Amino acid sequence: NAGVMQNPRHLVRRRGQEARLRCSPMKGHSHVYWYRQLPEEGLKFMVYLQKENIIDESGMPKERFSAEFPKEGPSILRIQQVVRGDSAAYFCASSPPEALSMGEQYFGPGTRLTVT
Amino acid sequence: GENVEQHPSTLSVQEGDSAVIKCTYSDSASNYFPWYKQELGKRPQLIIDIRSNVGEKKDQRIAVTLNKTAKHFSLHITETQPEDSAVYFCAAKVDNDMRFGAGTRLTVKP
Repeated sequence: NAGVMQNPRHLVRRRGQEARLRCSPMKGHSHVYWYRQLPEEGLKFMVYLQKENIIDESGMPKERFSAEFPKEGPSILRIQQVVRGDSAAYFCASSPPEALSMGEQYFGPGTRLTVT
Repeated sequence: GENVEQHPSTLSVQEGDSAVIKCTYSDSASNYFPWYKQELGKRPQLIIDIRSNVGEKKDQRIAVTLNKTAKHFSLHITETQPEDSAVYFCAAKVDNDMRFGAGTRLTVKP
């Protein structure tokens, strides 16, 4: 089991460009969560998805940010027209179906986004 | 929604001493409380967790206690070692909603 995979690990974008962050959950996991971590700060919830469904996006900024988890392929966090304040580490976590877990989440290695 | 507070923000102990990190939560419906360890530049790693129907859980040098009435839970690390140095996050989960504390930076001095 390869664990949660994220790519790219490091991403540099200029202001105004788009950033696409990918997350492949652990095998058998159907729930994906995205978190943002600013330097020296904690993990802030952004969005919770299941396949083809956004369950909770209460932590997502209203503009420029979107997320999807298609039937096939990884989950994508998309940031349009990036600004310097978007520079952060973005972590994806996955968890098994509810019937098989307490809700524990396993984190990917993160994508460190730098906006110049 | 759930609100999780974590104290202290920094903690420095001598190798071999114990370390205690405390968290409080606001939503009495929270039923799952994990603790994560994050080393510099690495991903958060789940180190121990507890459900709301259990008051204490221990795994070698690490233990977690839960007081549902007071809505607080604590992480205890005994016989600390330099490799325990990291940032520790508590979290509380209700339904699909997991909220994290702000983190405690633990430094274990050799």
